[in-house]
Amino acid sequence: KQEVTQIPAALSVPEGENLVLNCSFTDSAIYNLQWFRQDPGKGLTSLLLIQSSQREQTSGRLNASLDKSSGRSTLYIAASQPGDSATYLCAVRGSGAGSYQLTFGKGTKLSVIP
Amino acid sequence: KAGVTQTPRYLIKTRGQQVTLSCSPISGHRSVSWYQQTPGQGLQFLFEYFSETQRNKGNFPGRFSGRQFSNSRSEMNVSTLELGDSALYLCASWDGHSYEQYFGPGTRLTVT
Repeated sequence: KQEVTQIPAALSVPEGENLVLNCSFTDSAIYNLQWFRQDPGKGLTSLLLIQSSQREQTSGRLNASLDKSSGRSTLYIAASQPGDSATYLCAVRGSGAGSYQLTFGKGTKLSVIP
Repeated sequence: KAGVTQTPRYLIKTRGQQVTLSCSPISGHRSVSWYQQTPGQGLQFLFEYFSETQRNKGNFPGRFSGRQFSNSRSEMNVSTLELGDSALYLCASWDGHSYEQYFGPGTRLTVT
């Protein structure tokens, strides 16, 4: 059974800092990994999708990497802003038949202090 | 292109009642998945539909059911509500090609 862990559970940084969020998964047989952002009481916003054959993806100030063999992914946020404050969730999709669902970590709650 | 929509956004029900939640996927998306989010358990997969067929089901009791219509809209039903069913229910859709899932705003269900 796939398990996804995100460390730390919460993180507080001053505005302008670069930061890294970590995600690990137990089964390396994944199809892809997706990073999401969730604002309080809201749905999930997709940030980056990395296919299992890729090593990294970039979008603006965000860069996500994937090391499938070690079961790890990181989300790098450059020059953090107060608007980046949210919960960041990592999710993996399995590669076997019938593995269409996403398995989520519990998230990292990020607070960027002005 | 409009995003995933879910109705209603908020619901308050009492124990023992049943509830139906609705999800309209992004136009052209044929797959809809449902997830339950609670503070203790996080996001958990309920079921997934593709072209009106349930392809996968999570580890939830039979009180949780769903269906998908020919226009790809989906509904989920929870019968005999329990206090523990209070949660944010999220629906996601994808086009079956990129495997990137897009989520709706959720339905907040409170059971009293």
